[in-house]
Amino acid sequence: NAGVTQTPKFQVLKTGQSMTLQCAQDMNHEYMSWYRQDPGMGLRLIHYSVGAGITDQGEVPNGYNVSRSTTEDFPLRLLSAAPSQTSVYFCASSTRGGRNNYGYTFGSGTRLTVV
Amino acid sequence: EDKVVQSPLSLVVHEGDTVTLNCSYEVTNFRSLLWYKQEKKAPTFLFMLTSSGIEKKSGRLSSILDKKELFSILNITATQTGDSAVYLCAVEAGSGNTPLVFGKGTRLSVIA
Repeated sequence: NAGVTQTPKFQVLKTGQSMTLQCAQDMNHEYMSWYRQDPGMGLRLIHYSVGAGITDQGEVPNGYNVSRSTTEDFPLRLLSAAPSQTSVYFCASSTRGGRNNYGYTFGSGTRLTVV
Repeated sequence: EDKVVQSPLSLVVHEGDTVTLNCSYEVTNFRSLLWYKQEKKAPTFLFMLTSSGIEKKSGRLSSILDKKELFSILNITATQTGDSAVYLCAVEAGSGNTPLVFGKGTRLSVIA
């Protein structure tokens, strides 16, 4: 099993550009979420999904869109990149409610720099 | 608003020391508390705690939950330089469809 796969691992964008961060999991997990991690801020939730076709906003959703057309994929779209979106982005998945005794499985992260 | 607070935010110890990391929480309808270790990349799972007073143990690491006082501690005995990492505490709350809420983490540095 590949687990949770995030692409790309690194990306540099110019202000105003758009892009999509990809996240795919092969564990048939219902639950997927996107977090961003900034120095001293821990992990902050951007968007999450409890199943295909269902998404909801987290703590810091502005400037990001998501969709969940399949169980496996949960892409994160930056509509018009801003320097404030420079961060490390993690995708995570779990069985429903995280109650699989192993918490969330995280992807390896995408380091995004907006210049 | 659900809140998870970790202390201290950073800590420097010498090899062989014992450390205690703290995590307190204020959430609606608590379900579980999780500890993760994060080195250079993604967080890796350490423990999930759901019941008060039951210690979870893995090697030199152990953790316990107090649901009355709303906190958990993570203990690391005989620390090694490989324990240097950010330790994250997260709480699962709500209906079961609510994502994890993370604290800001404790950065532990173990020096030889």
